[in-house]
Amino acid sequence: DGGITQSPKYLFRKEGQNVTLSCEQNLNHDAMYWYRQDPGQGLRLIYYSQIVNDFQKGDIAEGYSVSREKKESFPLTVTSAQKNPTAFYLCASSPPRDNTGELFFGEGSRLTVL
Amino acid sequence: GENVEQHPSTLSVQEGDSAVIKCTYSDSASNYFPWYKQELGKGPQLIIDIRSNVGEKKDQRIAVTLNKTAKHFSLHITETQPEDSAVYFCAANRRRALTFGSGTRLQVQP
Repeated sequence: DGGITQSPKYLFRKEGQNVTLSCEQNLNHDAMYWYRQDPGQGLRLIYYSQIVNDFQKGDIAEGYSVSREKKESFPLTVTSAQKNPTAFYLCASSPPRDNTGELFFGEGSRLTVL
Repeated sequence: GENVEQHPSTLSVQEGDSAVIKCTYSDSASNYFPWYKQELGKGPQLIIDIRSNVGEKKDQRIAVTLNKTAKHFSLHITETQPEDSAVYFCAANRRRALTFGSGTRLQVQP
């Protein structure tokens, strides 16, 4: 089945540790995105990438880093510099730029900092 | 940048009634307005979208209206059913990403 796979689904981290969230897609989509979801605040854009080896900061990039070495993969690292990392993280992708702009989301990863 | 405001934050209706969720956006360059439904613990899924060259779009019990002049768009769900209970997000495009509203939790009472 085609889709977006995020892992792990649940992750616990101690303060001061970096953690990497995985996002893989087999939809052959060019663009990939990371959003953070907090209660009552909707989805906020962290980073996005339109093509391999290129990515742009979103609205809340501080304390996060990404890479886009392969078209199908867009991992997100939550660094120790992120002051409040406990949240639900959503990865998404979208078809080539001449298509609708619709985002296809994964099932999310819930990160809890202990 | 784009700012999207969504109201109400919670909405409770009786089964069979209609539900309306409203959003406003700030960037006049936005031209794509999707609506997503998110069930508990899952990723959002697109339920309907509209482009700026259209004023209204309907898909069975779901419709979306867009007023470009006023910069607002609305989701209408008719004949609501318990399975419509979820969180709904509106969004507007900005460059090559979407900016989302804060979400509406819809509860359909049987």
